[in-house]
Amino acid sequence: NAGVTQTPKFQVLKTGQSMTLQCAQDMNHNSMYWYRQDPGMGLRLIYYSASEGTTDKGEVPNGYNVSRLNKREFSLRLESAAPSQTSVYFCASSERQGLDEQYFGPGTRLTVT
Amino acid sequence: DAKTTQPPSMDCAEGRAANLPCNHSTISGNEYVYWYRQIHSQGPQYIIHGLKNNETNEMASLIITEDRKSSTLILPHATLRDTAVYYCIVSNFGNEKLTFGTGTRLTIIP
Repeated sequence: NAGVTQTPKFQVLKTGQSMTLQCAQDMNHNSMYWYRQDPGMGLRLIYYSASEGTTDKGEVPNGYNVSRLNKREFSLRLESAAPSQTSVYFCASSERQGLDEQYFGPGTRLTVT
Repeated sequence: DAKTTQPPSMDCAEGRAANLPCNHSTISGNEYVYWYRQIHSQGPQYIIHGLKNNETNEMASLIITEDRKSSTLILPHATLRDTAVYYCIVSNFGNEKLTFGTGTRLTIIP
């Protein structure tokens, strides 16, 4: 039981490049989330998916898109990376939206130059 | 969601109880208090949550005042592995959004 896994662990992009961050969970959870954490700050919610087939914006969605590929996988895409998107990205899942504790992945450290 | 206030940092001797306070004076009746922690560079880890009664699990105890305006997370026998940033979060049950503030950086001293 791996919990929540994220790939890649590290990534460096040039401004304007695109990439997709992958997240998968093996706990049969219904809800999944993407957060970003900037240095010295708490986490901010980017997008979430309450259940398979649904996605909704969080606090800071601009510049990102998401896909809930199936119940296990929730990907985050940066279409045109900007230096302001340099951050650590965490994926999380929970059994039910907002009703249960969230389990977090190890994070992806993204640098945009 | 109600705003929370936590001290930016605290120290605690190894083996002693660590008591982490959180003020949430604007909490509403249907909002829960959640605690998470983040050990350096890792993803946050759920610790405990409660509504009005005190709660205990294998990791910690949560004491909520009768007026619910503040709470205390207690780690009964702190170890060096408990060194982390601890986040107190207030949220409606069913709300997808957990608002993480800057938390309390707890350092366990050998």
